[in-house]
Amino acid sequence: DAKTTQPTSMDCAEGRAANLPCNHSTISGNEYVYWYRQIHSQGPQYIIHGLKNNETNEMASLIITEDRKSSTLILPHATLRDTAVYYCIVRDRDDKIIFGKGTRLHILP
Amino acid sequence: NAGVMQNPRHLVRRRGQEARLRCSPMKGHSHVYWYRQLPEEGLKFMVYLQKENIIDESGMPKERFSAEFPKEGPSILRIQQVVRGDSAAYFCASSPFTGALNEKLFFGSGTQLSVL
Repeated sequence: DAKTTQPTSMDCAEGRAANLPCNHSTISGNEYVYWYRQIHSQGPQYIIHGLKNNETNEMASLIITEDRKSSTLILPHATLRDTAVYYCIVRDRDDKIIFGKGTRLHILP
Repeated sequence: NAGVMQNPRHLVRRRGQEARLRCSPMKGHSHVYWYRQLPEEGLKFMVYLQKENIIDESGMPKERFSAEFPKEGPSILRIQQVVRGDSAAYFCASSPFTGALNEKLFFGSGTQLSVL
């Protein structure tokens, strides 16, 4: 079973920052937080991952709380092409990635 | 550098036939994962393989399903005697497996299996 909890869906206005929350209260010390997204039945796409520190790349920023029990994915300037299902994943010790139900993000024009 | 290649993109089978889904990982990647996605549902892990070895098949149905990743050639997911409930999108992912926990997976575009 997935070890994360995410809202089922969210809306965000085009051009604004999209902030997607994720709870992972049972995360263990050596587990990373990953974010993937799936655009309309395409294969999932890696976005970003982190362990303790906040991370930023060309796609997004990842903010992890100090106790590591939750995190937020930030898309700084959302566009219509960012409409997708976003999956927050905690990598389990068997090294396979378990997807939960994710958050369906709608970008509104 | 080509990405993960899956073929066919769409596959139609009648009940009772066999389905063979192929996945060529990215160059240099020695580990392959298969996932299944039923309509309007999330991705479910099926199997994790490295060349000539199954690492984890905990998500594979006990009957009719098998997977292999030979020394040469693509990984194959084989479904025997397909039933309508097998209709789904099947995604393959690959990784280089550096031995660290923080490797990421690269996914293919999937094979949509339709059973008539």
